[in-house]
Amino acid sequence: KNQVEQSPQSLIILEGKNCTLQCNYTVSPFSNLRWYKQDTGRGPVSLTIMTFSENTKSNGRYTATLDADTKQSSLHITASQLSDSASYICVVMGQAGTALIFGKGTTLSVSS
Amino acid sequence: DAGVIQSPRHEVTEMGQEVTLRCKPISGHNSLFWYRQTMMRGLELLIYFNNNVPIDDSGMPEDRFSAKMPNASFSTLKIQPSEPRDSAVYFCASTAGGGSETQYFGPGTRLLVL
Repeated sequence: KNQVEQSPQSLIILEGKNCTLQCNYTVSPFSNLRWYKQDTGRGPVSLTIMTFSENTKSNGRYTATLDADTKQSSLHITASQLSDSASYICVVMGQAGTALIFGKGTTLSVSS
Repeated sequence: DAGVIQSPRHEVTEMGQEVTLRCKPISGHNSLFWYRQTMMRGLELLIYFNNNVPIDDSGMPEDRFSAKMPNASFSTLKIQPSEPRDSAVYFCASTAGGGSETQYFGPGTRLLVL
């Protein structure tokens, strides 16, 4: 069964600290993996999209990694800011043009 | 660009009533997606269109749900009759190309069925 599992479910960190969110998937065949940031009450915003041939992609302080062999991805946030408080959703697409499989998300809270 | 536009932003209705959600994708985008988000199930893809044609509606939960895209700039998601378990946030998203393109989400419609 195609699944995307994210951990931890929630995380609290101090402003300025780094953190890493995990995503494990069983989707096969695999087309691409996406990370989204969703602020409370808003729609998700794309952070990164990686195909199976890419193993790292950065977007500012966000760096996503992908290991297609172990079917694992991580999202690393450097020097966190209060505005990073949000839900981070990992999404895996099977063969291009078919269904997207969503993780339940990790809720990150950054405190001062 | 105004981004993806959804209306209404909030809807409260009574069980059994018909509900119509509306979406205007980003101009020039040729793929449109409808999603539902709940605390229990997270984000779920309901249906997506490519060039106004429904490609995959396997996520539509029941016959009570229907979606149309009469032209490239407008889509509707209709629930008839609505039930309390339909309460959720419904998002519309659009992309410029195929499956690997970045999806741009609208602000969502928060639906409460009493």
